[in-house]
Amino acid sequence: SAVISQKPSRDICQRGTSLTIQCQVDSQVTMMFWYRQQPGQSLTLIATANQGSEATYESGFVIDKFPISRPNLTFSTLTVSNMSPEDSSIYLCSVARLMGQGGNEQFFGPGTRLTVL
Amino acid sequence: RKEVEQDPGPFNVPEGATVAFNCTYSNSASQSFFWYRQDCRKEPKLLMSVYSSGNEDGRFTAQLNRASQYISLLIRDSKLSDSATYLCVVNKKDGGSQGNLIFGKGTKLSVKP
Repeated sequence: SAVISQKPSRDICQRGTSLTIQCQVDSQVTMMFWYRQQPGQSLTLIATANQGSEATYESGFVIDKFPISRPNLTFSTLTVSNMSPEDSSIYLCSVARLMGQGGNEQFFGPGTRLTVL
Repeated sequence: RKEVEQDPGPFNVPEGATVAFNCTYSNSASQSFFWYRQDCRKEPKLLMSVYSSGNEDGRFTAQLNRASQYISLLIRDSKLSDSATYLCVVNKKDGGSQGNLIFGKGTKLSVKP
């Protein structure tokens, strides 16, 4: 599986500010995704990061709040904008590997633990 | 009905025990199924994909029942290192190239000496 790194690993931010999280993969991948895991909850997909075009957002997530960049096949960023305490969460990027049956297996970065005061 | 539902746990078992986790999913069109393991304060890691015929990897056996929309994971001869939260995961769409995974809330396993 690919080696995935995220920066920062954790941060504590003030309400109203923005934080950009970086995700770097050691090999070119077609599919990259951003997830959120709120305290005590499971993972929720925020968006699919598309290389060369706008990200595809899931219901409940919008580009103004979570702008995403994907300049190439090894790198993506997620920005959490105008943060509030409700944005405190772990943010994870993932990459997918196609399976023989047409689905895909996903592998996750180590996550960014965000606390908003 | 929740999209992916798991036993709430926690499961507290002695070393060497056999433990089974169950999971049901609501979308009958789902095509891909997985079990992930998540250690405390770590990212989820793929444990195994679940195939229609069922599959085994060492002490771990996964089974899929499409008719009942039910997935299971069996762990034999539990080790202390098996202690973690086990996440049942289903691909939301009909295979394809999109990776929208729906995660269950997970079942916590604690293996005691």
